[in-house]
Amino acid sequence: NAGVTQTPKFQVLKTGQSMTLQCAQDMNHNSMYWYRQDPGMGLRLIYYSASEGTTDKGEVPNGYNVSRLNKREFSLRLESAAPSQTSVYFCAGGRVYNEQFFGPGTRLTVL
Amino acid sequence: SQQGEEDPQALSIQEGENATMNCSYKTSINNLQWYRQNSGRGLVHLILIRSNEREKHSGRLRVTLDTSKKSSSLLITASRAADTASYFCATDPNTGNQFYFGTGTSLTVIP
Repeated sequence: NAGVTQTPKFQVLKTGQSMTLQCAQDMNHNSMYWYRQDPGMGLRLIYYSASEGTTDKGEVPNGYNVSRLNKREFSLRLESAAPSQTSVYFCAGGRVYNEQFFGPGTRLTVL
Repeated sequence: SQQGEEDPQALSIQEGENATMNCSYKTSINNLQWYRQNSGRGLVHLILIRSNEREKHSGRLRVTLDTSKKSSSLLITASRAADTASYFCATDPNTGNQFYFGTGTSLTVIP
């Protein structure tokens, strides 16, 4: 039982490159989330998926797209990376109105 | 932004002492949660308190919620060096799926 897993753990991109961050959960949660964490800013919600087949914007969605591939997997795509997207990205799973379970994070640097 | 704010930003105490950190938020909520983050790791859920509850305990943790003041406090009793981490509050402003995290309190427990 791995909980929530994320790949890759680290990534360095050049401005304009694209990439997809992968997230998978084996906890049978309906809801999944993508956050970014910047120094002094706490976590900010990028996108979330309340159930398979649905996605909704969070607080900071610009520059990102998501796909809820199935109940287990929720991916985050950067189509054209910018230095402002340098951050630590966390995926989480959970149930509505309840606690969330976080993955270990992906550290992304955009040069 | 509905983001909560923790106070203090940083706290340093001796092992065995109690640590208190506070969270203030801006809008009505369904529940408030506290999370811990060890350096370089993902967030771990500590405790959830619902809007109709005033106090909750879990082991050495005590959480209070005052919805009239839009504030919560987390008390860690008999602190240990292993409690050294950042602590975040997260509020759910009636949507069930959009959580707003504060900027965190960095706690250092000196052995």
